[in-house]
Amino acid sequence: EAQVTQNPRYLITVTGKKLTVTCSQNMNHEYMSWYRQDPGLGLRQIYYSMNVEVTDKGDVPEGYKVSRKEKRNFPLILESPSPNQTSLYFCASSYGVGQPQHFGDGTRLSIL
Amino acid sequence: GENVEQHPSTLSVQEGDSAVIKCTYSDSASNYFPWYKQELGKGPQLIIDIRSNVGEKKDQRIAVTLNKTAKHFSLHITETQPEDSAVYFCAAIYSGGYQKVTFGTGTKLQVIP
Repeated sequence: EAQVTQNPRYLITVTGKKLTVTCSQNMNHEYMSWYRQDPGLGLRQIYYSMNVEVTDKGDVPEGYKVSRKEKRNFPLILESPSPNQTSLYFCASSYGVGQPQHFGDGTRLSIL
Repeated sequence: GENVEQHPSTLSVQEGDSAVIKCTYSDSASNYFPWYKQELGKGPQLIIDIRSNVGEKKDQRIAVTLNKTAKHFSLHITETQPEDSAVYFCAAIYSGGYQKVTFGTGTKLQVIP
């Protein structure tokens, strides 16, 4: 079954404690992306990757890092989380930027 | 960069009526316009998309229209059903260049039985 898998689905943590949200896809997609969803702001792109070792900033990259060492995985790293990063996060993948994206089911992060 | 405005933010319709959601975009280079449906507790799912060389596309009860001159596109849902209740997002993308994806702020559609 084609899918994008995010882990964890829920996480409550404290300010400054490094965390990683994993994302894996099984469709051999080249393009992967991270979004955050906040009430009234819709989905905003954090980082994207066009292929292995190729990543670039989206519209709201501050406070986040990503890596793309393998085609299937695209982890999101918060090195020093702050309360303003409390949000619902989605990973997505597609064959290219101008192609339909497949989304994971989301990770709800609460940073106290 | 691209800016996408989506209206309305909430929409309530009676079952069987039509629903229309509109998006405007700012970058005339954008050439791919998908629509996603997000059900509660799930990630968005593509329901229909349109490219800039096409003015309209239909899939059963769902249609999308694109006006490149005015830089707006709309989602039309006919004969709405309770299962159409969800949040809908539009996006505008320039697939030839920037590689960024810009979404609208979403429309919460409620279909009243």
